[in-house]
Amino acid sequence: QKEVEQNSGPLSVPEGAIASLNCTYSDRVSQSFFWYRQYSGKSPELIMSIYSNGDKEDGRFTAQLNKASQYVSLLIRDSQPSDSATYLCAVNWGGGFKTIFGAGTRLFVKA
Amino acid sequence: NAGVTQTPKFQVLKTGQSMTLQCAQDMNHNSMYWYRQDPGMGLRLIYYSASEGTTDKGEVPNGYNVSRLNKREFSLRLESAAPSQTSVYFCASRAGIDNEQFFGPGTRLTVL
Repeated sequence: QKEVEQNSGPLSVPEGAIASLNCTYSDRVSQSFFWYRQYSGKSPELIMSIYSNGDKEDGRFTAQLNKASQYVSLLIRDSQPSDSATYLCAVNWGGGFKTIFGAGTRLFVKA
Repeated sequence: NAGVTQTPKFQVLKTGQSMTLQCAQDMNHNSMYWYRQDPGMGLRLIYYSASEGTTDKGEVPNGYNVSRLNKREFSLRLESAAPSQTSVYFCASRAGIDNEQFFGPGTRLTVL
């Protein structure tokens, strides 16, 4: 079992819809969680970070964390074609500096 | 500020050749990372340096060595390149354990 699991997709949603991206992880000690967006041929860039159980909102993006279930998700409201990219979930493993990424979920937003 | 810079951007090697990928950051970050990215496999951690003077293995360290030359620079060396090392290599840095990572533009390496 991979340490950080994501549905590879592709996930296809119409413009204006909500896109829901999910991630599970196997380390119970992890405390810091990140979502990165990566456009094709480009470097990853941070979308959201979350450290506490519950929801964290930033504009159209909401990150949700449930440490008991070892689950973190990203919701994108009012999806736009410009949101089409690969979304990477990242976990600070064992509470330390080692960061493990999931394989990423490809999102397509249809105009 | 240039952020994180990597050289070279592209490289083609023959099997058995060696090379060093260079990475530098000008953000005064403590931690630096090397990842490889292959289709469908996301980013896999090769080595990281939590702070100047320390380095640790990541998920896929075999066939690689690293040097944290100073706080700014973190290099990745392939001693004897193999076709399985064909990949895109990203360097990243961050200020602290709970901070985001900033990525360089990547090096696209092909080993024939």
